[in-house]
Amino acid sequence: RKEVEQDPGPFNVPEGATVAFNCTYSNSASQSFFWYRQDCRKEPKLLMSVYSSGNEDGRFTAQLNRASQYISLLIRDSKLSDSATYLCVPPPRGGYNKLIFGAGTRLAVHP
Amino acid sequence: NAGVTQTPKFRILKIGQSMTLQCTQDMNHNYMYWYRQDPGMGLKLIYYSVGAGITDKGEVPNGYNVSRSTTEDFPLRLELAAPSQTSVYFCASSHGGAYTDTQYFGPGTRLTVL
Repeated sequence: RKEVEQDPGPFNVPEGATVAFNCTYSNSASQSFFWYRQDCRKEPKLLMSVYSSGNEDGRFTAQLNRASQYISLLIRDSKLSDSATYLCVPPPRGGYNKLIFGAGTRLAVHP
Repeated sequence: NAGVTQTPKFRILKIGQSMTLQCTQDMNHNYMYWYRQDPGMGLKLIYYSVGAGITDKGEVPNGYNVSRSTTEDFPLRLELAAPSQTSVYFCASSHGGAYTDTQYFGPGTRLTVL
């Protein structure tokens, strides 16, 4: 079983919509995750970290549900510039901050 | 700060040729990483380094070599290029030592092997 599983999408939403992605994980000991964003043909960039208390940054809210072993990312008032692939990344295991990056969920925001 | 820089941006190689992908970071980070990303796929770790003179294999090291003689530089060497090495290569760095350490990525090198 993969450590994290994400719906690859694409999620096609109009500008102004609210969209949510979920990511399920298998390691029940995980206490934090990262959401990275990768624009088309660009490098990944950290969007936010998420802990059991959740995290909010402007239009973006991330939650970690340890009981059900999933992480969510909510984007409110979607902008065209939010179009990207969103990667749910589990915490490093085995030391040296080695992260596992899956294929992510693709979001396309249209006018 | 320039962050993580990579050269070249694009390269086309013939089968059997060799090349070095350059990566430099100016954030004084201890940890550096090389990933490859095939179309529609996630990043796969090729090699990583936790400091000058220390390197180790990642998930897909075959066909590649690395060295880390300085904190700033972490070049990736392809010795005998094969079509299977056609990919986008990302270098990343992080401070190291913290559980929630952020990785910062370079803009990538797009390599085609024909």
